[in-house]
Order: sequence, then structure tokens, then C-alpha cells
Amino acid sequence: RKEVEQDPGPFNVPEGATVAFNCTYSNSASQSFFWYRQDCRKEPKLLMSVYSSGNEDGRFTAQLNRASQYISLLIRDSKLSDSATYLCAVNPPLSEGSQGNLIFGKGTKLSVKP
Amino acid sequence: DADVTQTPRNRITKTGKRIMLECSQTKGHDRMYWYRQDPGLGLRLIYYSFDVKDINKGEISDGYSVSRQAQAKFSLSLESAIPNQTALYFCATRGGQGSAYGYTFGSGTRLTVV
Repeated sequence: RKEVEQDPGPFNVPEGATVAFNCTYSNSASQSFFWYRQDCRKEPKLLMSVYSSGNEDGRFTAQLNRASQYISLLIRDSKLSDSATYLCAVNPPLSEGSQGNLIFGKGTKLSVKP
Repeated sequence: DADVTQTPRNRITKTGKRIMLECSQTKGHDRMYWYRQDPGLGLRLIYYSFDVKDINKGEISDGYSVSRQAQAKFSLSLESAIPNQTALYFCATRGGQGSAYGYTFGSGTRLTVV
């Protein structure tokens, strides 16, 4: 199992739709989790951290399921401007082979159509 | 001004040439990283540094070297560029001492080796 996995998509949805992405991780002791948004040929930008109890920022909701080892991102009322690639990032625990650097998924591409 | 600045933004160079990519930050973060991104391969860690005297190899350090000239500056060198080093390169910083903080990325350097 890869350390962090995402469905590459693309997810093609109409404006106003609700869409959800998942990201699975292999190390059950992972400590922190993030969602990034990346526009084509631009840098990833932090969208939101993912907290144990789940958290919401406007139309975006992030959740963590430790038992099944995945995080999710829900986007409600999709806008054309939400079209981008969404990367998840997971912080594994410190270990002999890990300095605790973030591990990124390869991203899920979202395309919102009029 | 951007918190994390990369120069140059775009560069075309010839095989065998030495090239340096520069990164500077105004966030006062100790931890700095260099990644490359290729289509379908996601972000891959080249080198990282936790302070001026600390340099660590990432998963794909062969063919690259780095220098941490100051807390705010972290440069990446390609000693003898080859075409498969054509990629989008990102510098990133991370604040705080624990794992609760995400990365802040620079706007990237698009490097083409011909």
C-alpha cells in the first residue's frame, strides 16, 4: 500500500454540485493532515488543516477517519473557480527513517463545468 | 512581496550546464525544502534543511546539491543538468516545532533542460 493515495480523477461536476474526495494513508500513527489546492502550473496552496473532530471553512468540510485511515474533503455548491487539483498531505510520526516531513498525495483533479 | 520567493521563474538550459535555483523566505521559518513535480509523479522531495547547519537528502537527491546560506536562503544546484531534470521545482518552508503546521510554497521554477 502506498503511503498516501488519492484518486487522480478527473472529477467533472456541474456548478452547484457537491463533490467529495478521499485520501488514504498507510501509517496509522500519522499525526497531522492537510488539504492543498494547486492550480495548473502554480504552487500548492494550503486550503485547510484537518482536525480530528472535523472542520469546516465556508463551503469546504474536511474530515478525518482514523479507524479507516483516510481523510476527506467535501465541497458544497461547487463554483467554476473551484476547478483545480487537490492534494492531501499527511505527517507521519518521527522514526528512524522519517524526519516527520509531509508526504503528499499525487492529487485529485476537479473540473467544475457551467 | 511573497513570503517565499523563488528565482528564476523560468529557465531553459543546455545539457551539461550547471544551474542554481534560489529560494528566499521572509517567514522566519527554520525548515526549508526543495521539491520537484512531474506530471503523474506528484511532488518528490529532493533535499531539506532544518537549520543552517542541517542538510538532509530526500528521496531523489542524486544529481542535485543544496546550500543553506542563511536561515532565509536555501539554494538548489544541478551540477550537470540532464534532460530528465526538466520539471517544475518548488521551494517550501515550514514553521513551528511540531507537526501541526503545513508548508508554504514558493511560486516555482519551471526548468527545461535541452
